[in-house]
Amino acid sequence: AQSVTQPDIHITVSEGASLELRCNYSYGATPYLFWYVQSPGQGLQLLLKYFSGDTLVQGIKGFEAEFKRSQSSFNLRKPSVHWSDAAEYFCAVVSSGGGADGLTFGKGTHLIIQP
Amino acid sequence: EAGVAQSPRYKIIEKRQSVAFWCNPISGHATLYWYQQILGQGPKLLIQFQNNGVVDDSQLPKDRFSAERLKGVDSTLKIQPAKLEDSAVYLCASSLVPGQRYGYTFGSGTRLTVV
Repeated sequence: AQSVTQPDIHITVSEGASLELRCNYSYGATPYLFWYVQSPGQGLQLLLKYFSGDTLVQGIKGFEAEFKRSQSSFNLRKPSVHWSDAAEYFCAVVSSGGGADGLTFGKGTHLIIQP
Repeated sequence: EAGVAQSPRYKIIEKRQSVAFWCNPISGHATLYWYQQILGQGPKLLIQFQNNGVVDDSQLPKDRFSAERLKGVDSTLKIQPAKLEDSAVYLCASSLVPGQRYGYTFGSGTRLTVV
């Protein structure tokens, strides 16, 4: 069965500093990978997704992620964070084929921005 | 484009009572998903519909949870009877087919508190 691990429950970053959120997945075939962000009381907003091609994926709000098959990782990065980036971030994976294509999510990383 | 609509936003019930949640997906989206998000965790898929048929309900606690999508558009998720551990946010999402390629759009969710 597929699974996602986000090793960091909380991360604190100073405003203007760079950010990297870690995500490791377990899936036998080529996965489809996603990063979502959730602000308090809000639904999930898609930041970016990977399903083939270039392993460096650009997303919204200045985020990017790199797919590394050898490390089973899909880490999210941002060169300079803003206070508005404080939120919960979820990595998710889905199978690459078949009709059942619901997402499997990690437990999330809570991002705190220090002024 | 209108988003995924869910109602109610909040619901408080006593244990052993029943409750229902409603979801209206984005127009034209054939696939609809219900997720349960317990506080501090990532969302967990409960059930996936394609049109009005069930594709995956392997994680739905069928002794107390039921869902339907009779006309292939709106969907209702019901819990009867509710337990304290059902307190969570229930998220609805929809997608074109295949969801992996086109992505998934989430509603804002219904926050259920069972007391």
